[in-house]
Amino acid sequence: QTVVTQEPSFSVSPGGTVTLTCGLSSGSVSNSYCPSWYQQTPGQAPRTFIYNTNIRSSGVPDRFSGSILGNKAALTITGAQADDESDYYCVLYMGSGLWVFGGGTKLTVL
Amino acid sequence: QLQLQESGPGLVKPSETLSLTCIVSGVSISSGDYYWDWIRQPPGKGLEWIATIYYSGSTWYNPSLKSRVTISVDTSKSQFSLRLSSVTAADTAVYYCARHTADRGDFDWGQGTLVTVSS
Repeated sequence: QTVVTQEPSFSVSPGGTVTLTCGLSSGSVSNSYCPSWYQQTPGQAPRTFIYNTNIRSSGVPDRFSGSILGNKAALTITGAQADDESDYYCVLYMGSGLWVFGGGTKLTVL
Repeated sequence: QLQLQESGPGLVKPSETLSLTCIVSGVSISSGDYYWDWIRQPPGKGLEWIATIYYSGSTWYNPSLKSRVTISVDTSKSQFSLRLSSVTAADTAVYYCARHTADRGDFDWGQGTLVTVSS
């Protein structure tokens, strides 16, 4: 069974840059996997931030960007702010209508 | 403005069937542009995609849950539903209904509903 991998946790200083990644237990992530990213704050539903590799959802600050880096999808936050502290999940489309989420990354800004 | 509202029992006994409904408003559930999803999140854990349905009735299931899950749509009531049979404590989770566009991970999420499996 395919596993989607994410860093369990990450820390960034205010104003700093951080890159979260989304990989596969076997193989490389490409645009065809439609990698997408969601932010979730405690007690709230997830919110789509980036979809299909690099398309920002409406209202998402442009300090958030998505890309493919090497064999993984990446979410980069440039100029991190305190309210970016959240859980971030990625999802990959496996084809045939199937989606698989990563385990999530808990981002701390301090 | 799309609104998705989950409804159903918050407590289900082990071995019984969990049933949830998502009421869709602000957009036609019969729009050919969208697919309708169920996603869950156990307390303190990550997200798990459960199933997707198209307005025509085409369905796609998570292989790990497929034997226990049924997703259905009622376009006349603008709603879609989830049934999960033979539940155990491991099925305790917040269940979200969602929508996405074909070939895009642009999920729009309902607020979610907590379902606890306990006797």
